[in-house]
Amino acid sequence: NAGVTQTPKFRILKIGQSMTLQCTQDMNHNYMYWYRQDPGMGLKLIYYSVGAGITDKGEVPNGYNVSRSTTEDFPLRLELAAPSQTSVYFCASSPSRTAQETQYFGPGTRLLVL
Amino acid sequence: AQSVTQLGSHVSVSEGALVLLRCNYSSSVPPYLFWYVQYPNQGLQLLLKYTSAATLVKGINGFEAEFKKSETSFHLTKPSAHMSDAAEYFCAVSGEGGGSEKLVFGKGMKLTVNP
Repeated sequence: NAGVTQTPKFRILKIGQSMTLQCTQDMNHNYMYWYRQDPGMGLKLIYYSVGAGITDKGEVPNGYNVSRSTTEDFPLRLELAAPSQTSVYFCASSPSRTAQETQYFGPGTRLLVL
Repeated sequence: AQSVTQLGSHVSVSEGALVLLRCNYSSSVPPYLFWYVQYPNQGLQLLLKYTSAATLVKGINGFEAEFKKSETSFHLTKPSAHMSDAAEYFCAVSGEGGGSEKLVFGKGMKLTVNP
């Protein structure tokens, strides 16, 4: 049972380039989330999904897109990378959407935009 | 709406000393409170959570936290620090009736344990 996996671990992008951050979970969780973590700022929710084909914006969605074609996968797309998108990105999943539910996190993708 | 305050960004203790990490919350509805830990170069994992049952919550690795409604606090403690406790700790809050996507994280507290 691998839990939540993310690829790549680290990436350097040039301004204006695009990339997809991959996230896969093997726990059959319907609910999945993308966060970004900036130093001293905690985690901010970018997008979330309540099941295959259903996604919604979080607190900081600008500059990102997501899709959810399967229960397992929840990729995050950056279309035109900007320096402000330099961050550590975490994918998470949970078995339910209740407010008391535990979220299970992947190891993160460190992105540097130059 | 919910919010979390973790004052300061870094705390340093000696091995064997008491660990106390403070968390104060604001919530317009009964809160659920979480402590997550992030070890270097890893994702976050749950230490413990308060879900309106017992106010004293015990978690993994000897950590515990007490929910105090009158003080709007959920401080994390461990009687004796170990070198392996060095990590960043995040307090988080969500509200009864809301969804998991409403989880709000504090800014985090980096714990250093000195030999």
